Amino acid sequence: SQQGEEDPQALSIQEGENATMSCSYKTSINNLQWYRQNSGRGLVHLILIRSNEREKHSGRLRVTLDTSKKSSSLLITASRAADTASYFCATPFKGSARQLTFGSGTQLTVLP
Amino acid sequence: DAGITQSPRHKVTETGTPVTLRCHQTENHRYMYWYRQDPGHGLRLIHYSYGVKDTDKGEVSDGYSVSRSKTEDFLLTLESATSSQTSVYFCAISESYPTGGSNQPQHFGDGTRLSIL
Repeated sequence: SQQGEEDPQALSIQEGENATMSCSYKTSINNLQWYRQNSGRGLVHLILIRSNEREKHSGRLRVTLDTSKKSSSLLITASRAADTASYFCATPFKGSARQLTFGSGTQLTVLP
Repeated sequence: DAGITQSPRHKVTETGTPVTLRCHQTENHRYMYWYRQDPGHGLRLIHYSYGVKDTDKGEVSDGYSVSRSKTEDFLLTLESATSSQTSVYFCAISESYPTGGSNQPQHFGDGTRLSIL
């Protein structure tokens, strides 16, 4: 019962370009998180945005949250080959602060 | 990197055998989680713990049991492994959330690749 679904499933861009991916969810949330997973590794937390925030920045990352549309976007500016990874959004599972539910991810490939 | 160690990192076993995976943390975090990751399904929560001896089921708990006798260790057991349990298993930890607050970030180990033949 995945709450968040990322789009697109796969994205391929050239180094230096911006990468944008989105996450849609079904029920009201009070926070949404984005994670990165490099091949063969565990997930790494990137950013958490709360429902009362519309935008948040961290380095080359920009996350937006539109609660009226139940969607979030992750923008990576000036991509590098090292940004090649899968990106997942995560939302509270059935409103629980203890559990997260993850989408299936966007596979980003940044070509040198 | 958060101090999370999963063992073993790789395991191949036969159907019907018991399997135990271990997660060890050095962060003294209250919450610990076990997930499985399969193509097309993303990460799915198996069980989690909110303190020593305190555990609860996740979305896909059938066929799995867990134990937490110490803050730092969280064990996942497959009592009688089946081929459908072939997967990559991840352990994660998080700090306590403030009362009425939102979820905390989770920190993941590098996974155990389990193959059941």
